[in-house]
Amino acid sequence: LAKTTQPISMDSYEGQEVNITCSHNNIATNDYITWYQQFPSQGPRFIIQGYKTKVTNEVASLFIPADRKSSTLSLPRVSLSDTAVYYCLPRKDSSYKLIFGSGTRLLVRP
Amino acid sequence: DAGVIQSPRHEVTEMGQEVTLRCKPISGHNSLFWYRQTMMRGLELLIYFNNNVPIDDSGMPEDRFSAKMPNASFSTLKIQPSEPRDSAVYFCASSTGESDTQYFGPGTRLTVL
Repeated sequence: LAKTTQPISMDSYEGQEVNITCSHNNIATNDYITWYQQFPSQGPRFIIQGYKTKVTNEVASLFIPADRKSSTLSLPRVSLSDTAVYYCLPRKDSSYKLIFGSGTRLLVRP
Repeated sequence: DAGVIQSPRHEVTEMGQEVTLRCKPISGHNSLFWYRQTMMRGLELLIYFNNNVPIDDSGMPEDRFSAKMPNASFSTLKIQPSEPRDSAVYFCASSTGESDTQYFGPGTRLTVL
């Protein structure tokens, strides 16, 4: 599976838009990009998944450029409750394997 | 809807003791996963069951670890004997199918003294 690189940590303020970029230079043709969120003392929670271009749901948007070597998770107007660790995971279609890296620790300040 | 249920939420034991962690997957889910999370190694897959059958146990650290799934609504992860290096948070997750979204439980924080 493709190796990923994400910022170790990010700081933001309530109401701001937060963009977390993940690099995955050697992503395979059949890899999807999946993002999970983990709050303190909880298990990871699926946020969004995409293959290319843009995907949006009620929680976030995911932007994947044409070369698919990176992806950007966009959280609109964050609140204090968005403080969490965010993981970017390339995931092969039809595979159960989730390879979690170190993630990005997002701190939202008042 | 009830999510994945794990028990106990916290476990403190002494080295050498047997530890049993329990998981009840979401009803209707056919796939069950056990993960371990530590600061040093992050989140690692230990074992994966599909329709109650172990499919991939390559992540199980050693023979001291064993997992069972006697039926579709219950699984256990047992450590015998436990060691301090087993201290971690153990998560159970389930999904409807092998490659579908995995839903994680709240985890069991294990401390082995």
